[in-house]
Amino acid sequence: KQEVTQIPAALSVPEGENLVLNCSFTDSAIYNLQWFRQDPGKGLTSLLLIQSSQREQTSGRLNASLDKSSGRSTLYIAASQPGDSATYLCAVRQGGSEKLVFGKGTKLTVNP
Amino acid sequence: EPEVTQTPSHQVTQMGQEVILRCVPISNHLYFYWYRQILGQKVEFLVSFYNNEISEKSEIFDDQFSVERPDGSNFTLKIRSTKLEDSAMYFCASNGNYGYTFGSGTRLTVV
Repeated sequence: KQEVTQIPAALSVPEGENLVLNCSFTDSAIYNLQWFRQDPGKGLTSLLLIQSSQREQTSGRLNASLDKSSGRSTLYIAASQPGDSATYLCAVRQGGSEKLVFGKGTKLTVNP
Repeated sequence: EPEVTQTPSHQVTQMGQEVILRCVPISNHLYFYWYRQILGQKVEFLVSFYNNEISEKSEIFDDQFSVERPDGSNFTLKIRSTKLEDSAMYFCASNGNYGYTFGSGTRLTVV
């Protein structure tokens, strides 16, 4: 059974800092991995999708990497801003399945 | 940018009542899903729907739950007899070439 773990559970940084969020998964037979952002009481906004054959994806100040063999992904946020404050969720889609398995998220606070 | 639309945004219902949560997925997507998130917990998969039938479901999705695509645009989740533990945020999603797109959710409170 796939388990997804995100470390740290919470992170507080000053504005402008570069930071890394970590995601690990127990079963490396994944189809893809997706990073989402969730604001309090709101829905999930897709940030980046990495297919199992890819090593990384970039969008603006965000860069996500995938090391399938070691069961890890990282989300790198450059030059953090207060508007980046949110919970960041990692989710994996298993090969042969339609469902996403989510981690519990990392709650990021960027202080002005 | 195409969106997944969910209604209502909030629903309060009495225990034992039936509720229907509604979603309009992205029009050219073929797979549709329901997920839920109990306060403070992980987002959990409930069910996936493809070609007018359930393609996958979790152990949570028992006989009190059902899904339907009554027309070409709507996708609904029905909970027949709500329990207190059904209180959660329910998310609809659809899947395209760029991964999942989620709606903004319906917050269901069972009292």
